[in-house]
Amino acid sequence: DQQVKQNSPSLSVQEGRISILNCDYTNSMFDYFLWYKKYPAEGPTFLISISSIKDKNEDGRFTVFLNKSAKHLSLHIVPSQPGDSAVYFCAAKTDGNFNKFYFGSGTKLNVKP
Amino acid sequence: DGGITQSPKYLFRKEGQNVTLSCEQNLNHDAMYWYRQDPGQGLRLIYYSQIVNDFQKGDIAEGYSVSREKKESFPLTVTSAQKNPTAFYLCASRIRSGGNSDEQFFGPGTRLTVL
Repeated sequence: DQQVKQNSPSLSVQEGRISILNCDYTNSMFDYFLWYKKYPAEGPTFLISISSIKDKNEDGRFTVFLNKSAKHLSLHIVPSQPGDSAVYFCAAKTDGNFNKFYFGSGTKLNVKP
Repeated sequence: DGGITQSPKYLFRKEGQNVTLSCEQNLNHDAMYWYRQDPGQGLRLIYYSQIVNDFQKGDIAEGYSVSREKKESFPLTVTSAQKNPTAFYLCASRIRSGGNSDEQFFGPGTRLTVL
């Protein structure tokens, strides 16, 4: 049973426009959420995160929004650039001595020049 | 340069053979993880280790084994008991196993194909 879901396998956006990647989760015990970016034949790299006590975190062109009541988070990229083309994974973790990470299936973003 | 290395990048195995995937990190991280990625699915946890000489099963440990004799190394053996081993395998590490705000660092992955 997947506790973190990314329902859009792919997204295509024009350069300069906004990219919005979505993620839904089912476990209300998740206390921390992360976005990772993955290029082909490479491992995922950390992009941005948000604690469950916040509803927004911004880092340059990247902003993550968290809606706890809807169990939904989103990643906004503004403006989108061709170099942003990659697969984006959202992840969530539980609290405790061992933090187990749950990953979504990824959304492949294509930013067209 | 600090980081995580996985070798080999591509690995081919005949059915019935065991194979070991290497994972090394020089980040001085306590926690290490093995994940498996299949098309259309998220990363699924195979095994994890919080500290040297300790490791625990993840969600899909059947057919796999690990060891953690050194802090830097966390090799994964895919045994012949694993029914569907063809996948992309990712190793990750983290400063410690608990706490907030520190993410996992991933290696480049090993693509295993069973012929």
